[in-house]
Order: sequence, then C-alpha cells, then structure tokens
Amino acid sequence: AQSVSQHNHHVILSEAASLELGCNYSYGGTVNLFWYVQYPGQHLQLLLKYFSGDPLVKGIKGFEAEFIKSKFSFNLRKPSVQWSDTAEYFCAVVFGDGYALNFGKGTSLLVTP
Amino acid sequence: NAGVTQTPKFQVLKTGQSMTLQCAQDMNHNSMYWYRQDPGMGLRLIYYSASEGTTDKGEVPNGYNVSRLNKREFSLRLESAAPSQTSVYFCASSEDRSSYNSPLHFGNGTRLTVT
Repeated sequence: AQSVSQHNHHVILSEAASLELGCNYSYGGTVNLFWYVQYPGQHLQLLLKYFSGDPLVKGIKGFEAEFIKSKFSFNLRKPSVQWSDTAEYFCAVVFGDGYALNFGKGTSLLVTP
Repeated sequence: NAGVTQTPKFQVLKTGQSMTLQCAQDMNHNSMYWYRQDPGMGLRLIYYSASEGTTDKGEVPNGYNVSRLNKREFSLRLESAAPSQTSVYFCASSEDRSSYNSPLHFGNGTRLTVT
C-alpha cells in the first residue's frame, strides 16, 4: 500500500544546531515530493518541492531536501536552526498520477534559545 | 487577494447536530480539497473536487458530504456530528491536480469540537 512515513514525531534542538527530518514513502513509481511547514496557529505553507532533475532541492528559509530514489527517502535539512523554526513539519507525496497529496503524520520541532 | 478563506474559524456542536463548513478561493483554481488534521495522524484527505461539478472521496469520507457549488466554493457538510469528528478541518486549493507545478494553498482551518 502507498504510504508516507516520518520517523521523528518530536524533535528538540538548540539554536544553531543542524536539523535533519526523515521522510520515507512506499511506492515503486514516479512521485512528486513536498515538505510543508505549519507554524503555531497558522495554516500549512509550502517549504519546498521536488518533481525531477537535481535531487537536492532548496526551499525557503534555508531549508533543503534530498531525494534518494534508491532509499525512497526525501529528508529535510537545515544547517543551523533558529528559534523561529519552531513548527510542525509535514512530508507529503503525490503517487504517480494520483490526484491529491498524501501526508505523513508530521514532526513537531521545538528550537530552544 | 485573500487566497483560501474558511468559515467559521471555531465551532462547537452537540452530537447529532449538523453543520456546513464553507470554503472559498479567489485564485481561479480548478481543484479543491478538504483535509482533517488530528494529533499524531497528520492530515487526511476527506474529499476533493478535481474541477467544478465533480467530487471524489478521499481517505476518510464517512460521515461527510461535499458540494462544489461553483469554481470558487467547496463546502463540507456534517449531517449528524459525532465526537470522532472533533478535529481541525483545512480546505485547500490547487491550480490543477496536486503536483510540482500545482502546490496546495491552504486556508487557516476550522477547529470543530463535537460534545
């Protein structure tokens, strides 16, 4: 069955620490990959997306993600987090010609000063 | 340009009551979606509308109905609310099917509590 998995449910980091959030999916065909962020009290916003080409994609606010096809993974990274990065992060996938996004369960990130 | 607008922002219902959540977008998008967000479950698709006049079930459609009233508006109706429908509901739209070139734009959500 098609699925999206995020391994870390809660992450706590100090400011300036590096971040990597895991995302894996189960599907053998083509995919569109996304990371969305939801700041406290706000709606989801697109961080970055991947469709084809360079597997390393850069998004807003210094985030990047790398698509590793052999591992069915699309991990999100940031070299140095800030307190303002405190939010919930969602990996999302469109499988093949599917119509809608399938979301992972989310990772709650808390950045402490 | 307001994007995706949802009303109401908050609602409390008693079990068995009905209500309609409203959603409107002003971006001339073809596709619209209703998701629910529950702690530890992420976002799950309830229904979507690929284009005006069409609707399709998502992952968790039971207990809900939808209407794509026109290109702008996509409403979600709970005919007989149950406590299990306590959730935050997000409406979203995209130019076409969700893809690289057609990311989702979300509304601010409706927080529904069913007692």
